[in-house]
Amino acid sequence: QVQMQESGPGLVKPSETLSLTCTVSSGSINSFYWNWIRLSPGRGLEWIGYISYSGATKYNPSLKGRVTFSVDTSKNQFSLTLKSVTAADTAVYYCARAGIVEWDLRFDSWGQGTLVSLSS
Amino acid sequence: DIQMTQSPSTLSASLGDRVTMTCRASQGVSNSLAWYQQKPGRAPKLLIYKASGLETWVPPRFSGSGSGTEFSLTITSLQPDDFATYYCQQYYDGVTFGQGTKVEIK
Repeated sequence: QVQMQESGPGLVKPSETLSLTCTVSSGSINSFYWNWIRLSPGRGLEWIGYISYSGATKYNPSLKGRVTFSVDTSKNQFSLTLKSVTAADTAVYYCARAGIVEWDLRFDSWGQGTLVSLSS
Repeated sequence: DIQMTQSPSTLSASLGDRVTMTCRASQGVSNSLAWYQQKPGRAPKLLIYKASGLETWVPPRFSGSGSGTEFSLTITSLQPDDFATYYCQQYYDGVTFGQGTKVEIK
């Protein structure tokens, strides 16, 4: 059973950049599509996008070009960068695994989630 | 964007009850529909994929049905472990989630 764990700062200042990493263990990051999803009281569950092991990406248009993903297959990790954060970006951020083809975006494994809040 | 609307928002039920919740898509999503169960402080868990396919861990009291724009999730005999929030998700065109149905004890 693949295990996934998010890491990164829990507090980010407004207008600055949020960076999170997801480490995949008990399984390879090769194959599958690797996703970021967030949960907030105001927006509910919101899909941020995916990156494949080969680096192909798809982003939710609602993030308006603020988001970038990267992958490091040697470390079995993938990462999220979100620029110019506002209060609306306060959420629990999850990493999640989808299928081996890009249209099979059901999420069968999830990290435990990490809360990101804005600090003044 | 495809919008997903779940009803009801909250469902109050007793142990042993049969419960059904629905999910409507703003446009057709074929059978590219998943259901998740989430408990407080935990990540969502995939219950059902392709509208009616059960994940291996899911007990047979859970079932999913529907196609196109109308979907439902039924629990035939509610158990203590089933009190949770349930989300639907379409993956036909990008990904969007419903706002959730919370199943609470009556």
